[in-house]
Amino acid sequence: SQKIEQNSEALNIQEGKTATLTCNYTNYSPAYLQWYRQDPGRGPVFLLLIRENEKEKRKERLKVTFDTTLKQSLFHITASQPADSATYLCALATSGGSYIPTFGRGTSLIVHP
Amino acid sequence: KAGVTQTPRYLIKTRGQQVTLSCSPISGHRSVSWYQQTPGQGLQFLFEYFSETQRNKGNFPGRFSGRQFSNSRSEMNVSTLELGDSALYLCASSLQQAQETQYFGPGTRLLVL
Repeated sequence: SQKIEQNSEALNIQEGKTATLTCNYTNYSPAYLQWYRQDPGRGPVFLLLIRENEKEKRKERLKVTFDTTLKQSLFHITASQPADSATYLCALATSGGSYIPTFGRGTSLIVHP
Repeated sequence: KAGVTQTPRYLIKTRGQQVTLSCSPISGHRSVSWYQQTPGQGLQFLFEYFSETQRNKGNFPGRFSGRQFSNSRSEMNVSTLELGDSALYLCASSLQQAQETQYFGPGTRLLVL
């Protein structure tokens, strides 16, 4: 069966360090993968999209990697700040269909000052 | 530009009742998608509307329905509410159908007693 897995345990790190979040998937042929940020009581906010033929994408302090052989995406936040504390969701959209994204359950990131 | 707006923000209903939620997309956006978010299942796709037509549908029972108006505003209806329908209902808009970048609203928190 198809699965998208994100670490359900919260990731706690110190301010200034790099946070790395993982998204693993099985039985998908993704056209692209997205990362979203969600704060409590609010809707997800789109951060980055990476396509199946791309290895890495960067935006300011954010970096996403995509390994279709390992079926894994890594999401990095460098020089993390307490304001980066939130839940981060990955979402996969498959080709040959409707491109409706399927979301992982998210990983909570807590950045301590 | 104003973002996606959803009304009401909070709602309490009892089992067996029905509920209608409203979503106004970003001005100029013609596609509206609805999602249900629960702690147990995460963010799950309900349906997508584009040009007043349902284009895609998730795996939810027929009690969940929706519609889109000519001004792109959308409503979602849930009939015969069950306790398990308690969730955060999110609406997302995009310029075109099945577009990669979606903009989410703040959601409607529904509690079924």
